[in-house]
Amino acid sequence: NAGVTQTPKFQVLKTGQSMTLQCAQDMNHEYMSWYRQDPGMGLRLIHYSVGAGITDQGEVPNGYNVSRSTTEDFPLRLLSAAPSQTSVYFCASSSRTGGTEAFFGQGTRLTVV
Amino acid sequence: GQSLEQPSEVTAVEGAIVQINCTYQTSGFYGLSWYQQHDGGAPTFLSYNALDGLEETGRFSSFLSRSDSYGYLLLQELQMKDSASYFCAVKQGGKLIFGQGTELSVKP
Repeated sequence: NAGVTQTPKFQVLKTGQSMTLQCAQDMNHEYMSWYRQDPGMGLRLIHYSVGAGITDQGEVPNGYNVSRSTTEDFPLRLLSAAPSQTSVYFCASSSRTGGTEAFFGQGTRLTVV
Repeated sequence: GQSLEQPSEVTAVEGAIVQINCTYQTSGFYGLSWYQQHDGGAPTFLSYNALDGLEETGRFSSFLSRSDSYGYLLLQELQMKDSASYFCAVKQGGKLIFGQGTELSVKP
């Protein structure tokens, strides 16, 4: 059972570069979200989606884009990386029905130099 | 907007009981969840309260009072492996908003 798969696990970018963090889930969950976690801080919501073709902004959306063309995939794009985007990124999915448990990927550790 | 408040850190000894509190202010509320995270690994789900009262799952229990916008996570018979960060989270439709987390240190 794969669950939520994030790639890559580690990434170093130069300031101004762009990249896409991949997230895929095989549980047919309607809801998917991206979070960033900085040292000593909680999980801050970047963007989320309640279904294919539907996305919305979270608490800290600036500098990030998302799309949801399929139920399974929810990529996060950094348009022009900045050192302030150095963080650990988590993707999560959950079902619209049947409770509130969210399943998380293993995280992507991103460093922007 | 929404905000969740929880203590930044708690220390307890092995075998003891510890309570981690969470107060929240949200516009729209579907329930309060708790997650555990070890050393920057993936957060894992512990419990969920949609209605007032106590939910028990083994050594862990969670309580919710919607009238007080307050909940807590109770950990009993603490073990060293319970040392981790614990997050409360509020469900609002399709999104989950997290508190800043409580770092629990369990001492021998």
